[in-house]
Amino acid sequence: GNSVTQMEGPVTLSEEAFLTINCTYTATGYPSLFWYVQYPGEGLQLLLKATKADDKGSNKGFEATYRKETTSFHLEKGSVQVSDSAVYFCALTHTDKLIFGTGTRLQVFP
Amino acid sequence: DSGVTQTPKHLITATGQRVTLRCSPRSGDLSVYWYQQSLDQGLQFLIQYYNGEERAKGNILERFSAQQFPDLHSELNLSSLELGDSALYFCASSVGAGAYTDTQYFGPGTRLTVL
Repeated sequence: GNSVTQMEGPVTLSEEAFLTINCTYTATGYPSLFWYVQYPGEGLQLLLKATKADDKGSNKGFEATYRKETTSFHLEKGSVQVSDSAVYFCALTHTDKLIFGTGTRLQVFP
Repeated sequence: DSGVTQTPKHLITATGQRVTLRCSPRSGDLSVYWYQQSLDQGLQFLIQYYNGEERAKGNILERFSAQQFPDLHSELNLSSLELGDSALYFCASSVGAGAYTDTQYFGPGTRLTVL
């Protein structure tokens, strides 16, 4: 079946460090891929998405590229800020529902 | 602000009780989805409605039911509550019927605590 695997957290970084959160997926056909972010005490916010192979989604300095050959959608940011501290969820949609990874907690310290 | 609203924000109740969670989708969105977020199960899809009709079902218990009304708001009914039903319940909405490129926008969630 369809599934998403994310790297275990927490990821702890200093401000201005480079961020990578790994995400790989298993799916039949051609899913769309998403990154959602959940700030403390809040709901899920769409961060970025990609709907076909080689698409790059980007938003607020975050980027992820849909890699069909490696079935991956890794999240990257060149310079993180304390305000980026949150839980990040990789997800795929195939037909009607979103299938989420377990989430990766990012903690950024000044 | 995603434009999706959920009420109430918090709900505390006892085992065996019944509660109703409410969701209003973004203006123009026809689909409503319900998800449960718990520590042990993560984020799980429960059910989807599109323009008043049930469209997809996930890991929803028989004690749970939902509906979407003509004004497109949706309600999730949870009955015979158990301690394990304590979780964050999210509603999401999207424009279409759930085609693979459709983006789902999430509400702030309802935190249910069953004592």
